[in-house]
Amino acid sequence: AQRVTQPEKLLSVFKGAPVELKCNYSYSGSPELFWYVQYSRQRLQLLLRHISRESIKGFTADLNKGETSFHLKKPFAQEEDSAMYYCALSGGNQFYFGTGTSLTVIP
Amino acid sequence: NAGVTQTPKFQVLKTGQSMTLQCAQDMNHEYMSWYRQDPGMGLRLIHYSVGAGITDQGEVPNGYNVSRSTTEDFPLRLLSAAPSQTSVYFCASSKVGGRGYTFGSGTRLTVV
Repeated sequence: AQRVTQPEKLLSVFKGAPVELKCNYSYSGSPELFWYVQYSRQRLQLLLRHISRESIKGFTADLNKGETSFHLKKPFAQEEDSAMYYCALSGGNQFYFGTGTSLTVIP
Repeated sequence: NAGVTQTPKFQVLKTGQSMTLQCAQDMNHEYMSWYRQDPGMGLRLIHYSVGAGITDQGEVPNGYNVSRSTTEDFPLRLLSAAPSQTSVYFCASSKVGGRGYTFGSGTRLTVV
């Protein structure tokens, strides 16, 4: 069963516009949710953890248990935000990744 | 503290050849795993290990073997490479019950 769903494969926004990358999950227990970012041809890097409730590079994500969502948001997109973003869920002994959203910020 | 080190970075194999992708971490992480990354498919788990001597299959284990003789190392073996195994392979590690993965820089494998 798919645990993490990222409905948008591609997302384009203009510089300065708000951006929201969607993530929905299904898990019976209490998962831990993450966002990872992968810049062109680089390794994946941890961007956010829902537990820490921090803001990294202007991005925030709130865990909505009722809607089982963990959407990633930024009020003003920058060109350097162009990258691949993966939502991930940690449960039991495994990590489950979504299929990723490729974000392009248009100058 | 090097984090997660993968070698090689690039490899071209002929169909039927075998090879081992190396992964090492120096963070004393119990949990290690191998993913393959393909366009439109995201990251798919191949094998994982929760400690030395313990391995288990992920979502796409066929054609790959792993072993975990030490905490630090988690090699991935391709016994008889096939073109369908052309992909980018990432190794990752974390503490069990930990706070997210640390990823290696990836191995770009082409099977011709």
